Amino acid sequence: EVQLVETGGGLIQPGGSLRLSCAASGFTVSSNYMSWVRQAPGKGLEWVSVIYSGGSTYYADSVKGRFTISRDNSKNTLYLQMNSLRAEDTAVYYCARKIAAAGNFDYWGQGTLVTVSS
Amino acid sequence: QPVLTQPPSASASLGASVTLTCTLSSGYSNYKVDWYQQRPGKGPRFVMRVGTGGIVGSKGDGIPDRFSVLGSGLNRYLTIKNIQEEDESDYHCGADHGSGSNFVEVFGGGTKLTVL
Repeated sequence: EVQLVETGGGLIQPGGSLRLSCAASGFTVSSNYMSWVRQAPGKGLEWVSVIYSGGSTYYADSVKGRFTISRDNSKNTLYLQMNSLRAEDTAVYYCARKIAAAGNFDYWGQGTLVTVSS
Repeated sequence: QPVLTQPPSASASLGASVTLTCTLSSGYSNYKVDWYQQRPGKGPRFVMRVGTGGIVGSKGDGIPDRFSVLGSGLNRYLTIKNIQEEDESDYHCGADHGSGSNFVEVFGGGTKLTVL
């Protein structure tokens, strides 16, 4: 059974850093296209970043230069390192899987809440 | 990149039908769109992909036959027949655009479906 479990969210002050984790089971993270998608309170979905099976990484303009996506193949886990956090980064962060770059997200996690506030 | 527009809300009575709309911005009429269902407090769940020819590929796991899609021009439709209480959810449409460093995923603002 495919499962994605996000952890690492919490309350953080503006300018701070946080690392989110997404533990995967039932498939191999490194063989798929893994993304982070966020949802601000009461808002729609916003794509954040993707790591391709080949290792290429891409980011939304809103987080470029501040966030870094990575994976640990030995732990079958996806990460999102978030630096220089702003109030507008407050959201539930989901990890999601695609089996092809131009395909749909077929599995999502339950999300982890990040609140950026002083 | 395309912009996806969805009405913020829709409602339908139990047992009735409803059609949700996702409109692509001008110039993107050949784009396929993915529909996702998001129940309160849960992560999104893939429903199905739609192009101008209708469904592309297969429905998501466990999506009942009551759900269907159509595509016409810039519009991508999700129709739910015989609405049940468990269909009350937010419905999001999404599409991918570009490749390489220009790659981006875009989503509509979502439509909140209320079952009366």
